[in-house]
Amino acid sequence: GAGVSQSPSNKVTEKGKDVELRCDPISGHTALYWYRQSLGQGLEFLIYFQGNSAPDKSGLPSDRFSAERTGGSVSTLTIQRTQQEDSAVYLCASSLWISSTDTQYFGPGTRLTVL
Amino acid sequence: ELKVEQNPLFLSMQEGKNYTIYCNYSTTSDRLYWYRQDPGKSLESLFVLLSNGAVKQEGRLMASLDTKARLSTLHITAAVHDLSATYFCAVFMDSNYQLIWGAGTKLIIKP
Repeated sequence: GAGVSQSPSNKVTEKGKDVELRCDPISGHTALYWYRQSLGQGLEFLIYFQGNSAPDKSGLPSDRFSAERTGGSVSTLTIQRTQQEDSAVYLCASSLWISSTDTQYFGPGTRLTVL
Repeated sequence: ELKVEQNPLFLSMQEGKNYTIYCNYSTTSDRLYWYRQDPGKSLESLFVLLSNGAVKQEGRLMASLDTKARLSTLHITAAVHDLSATYFCAVFMDSNYQLIWGAGTKLIIKP
């Protein structure tokens, strides 16, 4: 079956521009997560959704970052006025429920480069 | 604040050898995950450990969890080149549904 998909796979942008990253979770998965992975580093949790709701936005690095999810499916992560330190791979994952026992399945990621 | 520490961060070994990667974490949790990441690829789930004393094995990899010691191990038996990858452990925080990740162990297995 289809896994988690993300688009674009690569995005190069100029400092100060806005970017929008998309995540399409596995069908039927109610929980969706966004992470950021900087070069050679582990993962930094950004935000999760249970359905369309994101109860805790404290993991977002700054107010330039926002995320939404509609229809309990596709999610978009928007970064406004991008900065060079935003360069990273942005990973999306989904799981059946927001539960510690449910494995998170990861998408291929979007590599963002801010020039 | 939960911290997750892996060691070693880098490991180069010969095929056929055994080795163990360690994952220590700083607060109470009984949910731990191991993932594998190949260069330029996304993360692949290896094991989910859900209770103290849990042990899971898949091929040459075996993972265990000791919640009292706040320690998980990933043991590699008779390593083969195909196991070369970066391995991450991650601990689930019930309080905010976050997975807190270790920095990863880059494993290189030489033929």
